[in-house]
Amino acid sequence: KNEVEQSPQNLTAQEGEFITINCSYSVGISALHWLQQHPGGGIVSLFMLSSGKKKHGRLIATINIQEKHSSLHITASHPRDSAVYICAVRGGGADGLTFGKGTHLIIQP
Amino acid sequence: NAGVTQTPKFQVLKTGQSMTLQCAQDMNHNSMYWYRQDPGMGLRLIYYSASEGTTDKGEVPNGYNVSRLNKREFSLRLESAAPSQTSVYFCASKVLRGGADTQYFGPGTRLTVL
Repeated sequence: KNEVEQSPQNLTAQEGEFITINCSYSVGISALHWLQQHPGGGIVSLFMLSSGKKKHGRLIATINIQEKHSSLHITASHPRDSAVYICAVRGGGADGLTFGKGTHLIIQP
Repeated sequence: NAGVTQTPKFQVLKTGQSMTLQCAQDMNHNSMYWYRQDPGMGLRLIYYSASEGTTDKGEVPNGYNVSRLNKREFSLRLESAAPSQTSVYFCASKVLRGGADTQYFGPGTRLTVL
């Protein structure tokens, strides 16, 4: 079973700061997902990565397959970025995702 | 296009009662999933269905049953609810497009078992 660890668990930052959230996993994967859970509970998929880097607006996700590590970066952070960010991985043969516990991000104005 | 819908949004049960959580998607996705989310833990897979007519156990299937009624609907049944099943339940569906897959989540059902 893949173990997915996220750090930090909680992060409070000021508006405008550059944010980094880390995810590491224990077993080789076919894909890694970053998701955002809003304060109201809804979950939205942000990225799916199998290699390299992806960018969407102010969000950047990178993955290093050899090191079994991924990072999610937020540039020019804004209070509306406040949410729980969740890393999840898909194993080679199984369906469904294995999730990290999430990083609770608060951006203060 | 409503995406993934779940009913009910909230439910309180007494120990031993049964209920069915409903999930439907209108995106013509083949794969559907049921997850539970508990405080301090990541989401965990209960059951999934790779296509209409097939279902498979996930990480925490005990105490649950599922039905993939048709391509749109995937229901989760608790036959005899227990306090340990107090949780937030999320249904999701998946599309595979150009080698990348994206999961779409429903709004969740908050279940309390007394």
